[in-house]
Amino acid sequence: DAGVIQSPRHEVTEMGQEVTLRCKPISGHNSLFWYRQTMMRGLELLIYFNNNVPIDDSGMPEDRFSAKMPNASFSTLKIQPSEPRDSAVYFCASSSPGRGTDTQYFGPGTRLTVL
Amino acid sequence: ILNVEQSPQSLHVQEGDSTNFTCSFPSSNFYALHWYRWETAKSPEALFVMTLNGDEKKKGRISATLNTKEGYSYLYIKGSQPEDSATYLCALNDYKLSFGAGTTVTVRA
Repeated sequence: DAGVIQSPRHEVTEMGQEVTLRCKPISGHNSLFWYRQTMMRGLELLIYFNNNVPIDDSGMPEDRFSAKMPNASFSTLKIQPSEPRDSAVYFCASSSPGRGTDTQYFGPGTRLTVL
Repeated sequence: ILNVEQSPQSLHVQEGDSTNFTCSFPSSNFYALHWYRWETAKSPEALFVMTLNGDEKKKGRISATLNTKEGYSYLYIKGSQPEDSATYLCALNDYKLSFGAGTTVTVRA
């Protein structure tokens, strides 16, 4: 298996532009997580999906952030409009069904820079 | 979000020496405790998943223990090597992971 796939790996954009990050989870995994890594806050959970349904989005910083999972093999995290403080590494992770003991497997991350 | 504390924040160890560091948590209301290894410019890589009080896991020179009654987990590195340099993250799993800030280990040759 190719593991969790994220694209793009790097994104540089200007303030005010829309940014879309993409994630393909490991086949057969039904839970998907979006994390953001910053120097100040470390690794923080933004939102997670179970069976394509958003379960907890309490970590989404504000309305400029939105996430979708239209099917079991694809998810997007969108920032509109982007701001310089959104600059961070965004990780997607997936895990296999249902149990709270399941390991989450992380993608390589997308490094976002907003100028 | 579950509160997870890791200490120390960073440590330096001489190649060949052993070391250990701590993950502590005030509540045992979680399904599992995870340890991840995170190298610079890479993604976190799962090391161990522990669920029961007294659990011990080992992978090569790295091992971990869990004490849910007293609210801590230790990670040990025996005979540290330069390739062990990384940030080690502890996370509690109640269907979503709550991460500690990590312990950054630097092994000096």
